Amino acid sequence: EIVMTQSPATLSVSPGERATLSCRASQNINSDLAWYQQKPGQSPRLLIYAASTRATGIPARFSGSGSATEFTLTITGPQSEDLAVYYCQQYKNWPLLTFGGGTKVEIK
Amino acid sequence: EVQLIQSAGEVKMPGESLKISCTTSGYTFVSYWIVWVRQMPGKGLEWMGVIYPGDSDTRYSPSFQGQVTLSVDTSLNTAYLQWSSLKASDSALYYCARVDVAGVAYWGQGTLVTVSS
Repeated sequence: EIVMTQSPATLSVSPGERATLSCRASQNINSDLAWYQQKPGQSPRLLIYAASTRATGIPARFSGSGSATEFTLTITGPQSEDLAVYYCQQYKNWPLLTFGGGTKVEIK
Repeated sequence: EVQLIQSAGEVKMPGESLKISCTTSGYTFVSYWIVWVRQMPGKGLEWMGVIYPGDSDTRYSPSFQGQVTLSVDTSLNTAYLQWSSLKASDSALYYCARVDVAGVAYWGQGTLVTVSS
């Protein structure tokens, strides 16, 4: 099973800053990676797929990059509404999916 | 509009059985895998397994193999997650979702299962 590791566990950022979230895969997954946002009390929402493609309706301040085993989600100029936990997920072994442990983003 | 509507929350005692449902609409049910995801209180997302309604092909995460059973009823466009004997550690929020080619774009609202004596 492919193991996904996210860091940091918690990230506190100011609205004018840039938030950088990391995700590492235990083996090469090419670009078969998605990012999700889960706000308190809500179901997860797909943000990014294929490592860098924004899903429908996702604001441009969210961007993804990386390939193989190292991936990054960047929130440029985070807003208060971006308070959430962010998860990465691999689908290299589709339809077998595994999630990372999540990064909680706090807005100062 | 694609929708996945899950059954209401349940309160059960240890040792009891339970079957929760995920009723879909707005797409061809038999053409997409359904994934079940567990979220324990205050914790992250864990994929439990996937099922393909077209032929009931099922794959389980090693962590959940033998602990739960996935099934579907194609006449009702509904997927199910069931336990034969619940434990307190099964208390969690359970999501169903539709697996697309690249990610999971459609999620149910979640079913909260509470197991307590």
